[in-house]
Order: sequence, then structure tokens, then C-alpha cells
Amino acid sequence: SQQGEEDPQALSIQEGENATMNCSYKTSINNLQWYRQNSGRGLVHLILIRSNEREKHSGRLRVTLDTSKKSSSLLITASRAADTASYFCATDAGETSGSRLTFGEGTQLTVNP
Amino acid sequence: GAVVSQHPSRVICKSGTSVKIECRSLDFQATTMFWYRQFPKQSLMLMATSNEGSKATYEQGVEKDKFLINHASLTLSTLTVTSAHPEDSSFYICSVLRGRYSNQPQHFGDGTRLSIL
Repeated sequence: SQQGEEDPQALSIQEGENATMNCSYKTSINNLQWYRQNSGRGLVHLILIRSNEREKHSGRLRVTLDTSKKSSSLLITASRAADTASYFCATDAGETSGSRLTFGEGTQLTVNP
Repeated sequence: GAVVSQHPSRVICKSGTSVKIECRSLDFQATTMFWYRQFPKQSLMLMATSNEGSKATYEQGVEKDKFLINHASLTLSTLTVTSAHPEDSSFYICSVLRGRYSNQPQHFGDGTRLSIL
């Protein structure tokens, strides 16, 4: 079963606006990762945040992690039409789980030009 | 450039056919690869962990005799869907883990769209 839940399931915004996606999980994690998937394609890794980190930045992306609430958020600033894709969070419970990832349900982001 | 190569990208075949999907790690040796299945507008479900030189580890509910995994070298894992039926139609994606340790992202192939008629 999927551990991660994401909200919203779908998000539609205008170019230039910020997009925020949230992810919740249920068990202890070693790290949490965000991936992007364009329609009909594989996944592209965006950011990995470790359990002892609270915030991480990469370009226009900002990820937060709150292990006490078992939640994470992905913020995309100054969105572009090319950011249109599905975004998934994935939790990694570490070597004891064989580094297997458990994916959330995903957020479909549409950025309108 | 691509780190993982997955072939074929699309397969359409008749019911009862066996289909083999290849996943190649291009940039590094991979002792561990993963196979996922994704239905339309849904998330990825892990099917199995492919370990080089040993048997694959299947997730609960995944039939090992139906989905044969072979990881014969450090750069190649194959998934064979045996005697495929329409309900096996799905998007299959492989991923590769660099090294043995955690805190590394997985590198994904571009997926294989399997359609069984």
C-alpha cells in the first residue's frame, strides 16, 4: 500500500505564480525524495532531503521536511509552462528496507501560459 | 545524458505472448535495480527489487512466476511478463540505485508502455 499521501491531487495555476504541493507519510524515514514525471515518461529526481534536515533549496525549488508531523512540502517559485507535470514524493526507510522507495499518490500540476 | 536506458518504449502484442523488457545502467555498475508498475493517473507501485547475482525480491502480491526478473550483470536487468493478458497492460518503469547505500536518489528509465490485445 502507498505510504505517502499528497495534496492537492491536481493544481492549476498561471505562469509566474508559485505552486505548493504537500506530502504526508506514516512510518519513520531515512530520507524523502521528490520526483517529477512528464506524461508517459520516466521519473526525474528533483531533491532529496534527509531526515535530519528541515529545508533544502535547488534553483526554483524549495523542500521542507517536518518529521514530527511526518510531512513535507515542495514549493516551485515563479512557475513556467514547462513545469507542467506530475510530482511525486517518495520515502526511503533506509538500508533496512533495501533502499526501497514508497511513492505518494502524486500531484498533477498544470501551469497555464 | 541518460543514466538508464529502458527498451522497448512501447509494446503491443496478443494475449498469451511473453514480453521481455530491458533496463540498462549506462553510467555505473548497479547491484540493485527496481521494477515498478504504474496504471493511468496513478502512482508507482514497486513490483520487485532486482539484485545482481541473486534472486529478485518480490513485493507482496506480485507473482514471481508471472514476472520473471533476471539481473545477470551489473548493468542489465530484464523483466519478462510471461503469458501476458490484457490485465497486464500497464506502464512498467525500472530504476537504478547507485551504490549499496541509502541517501541516494534512484535513476529511472523512460518506461515501457505494454498493451496486450
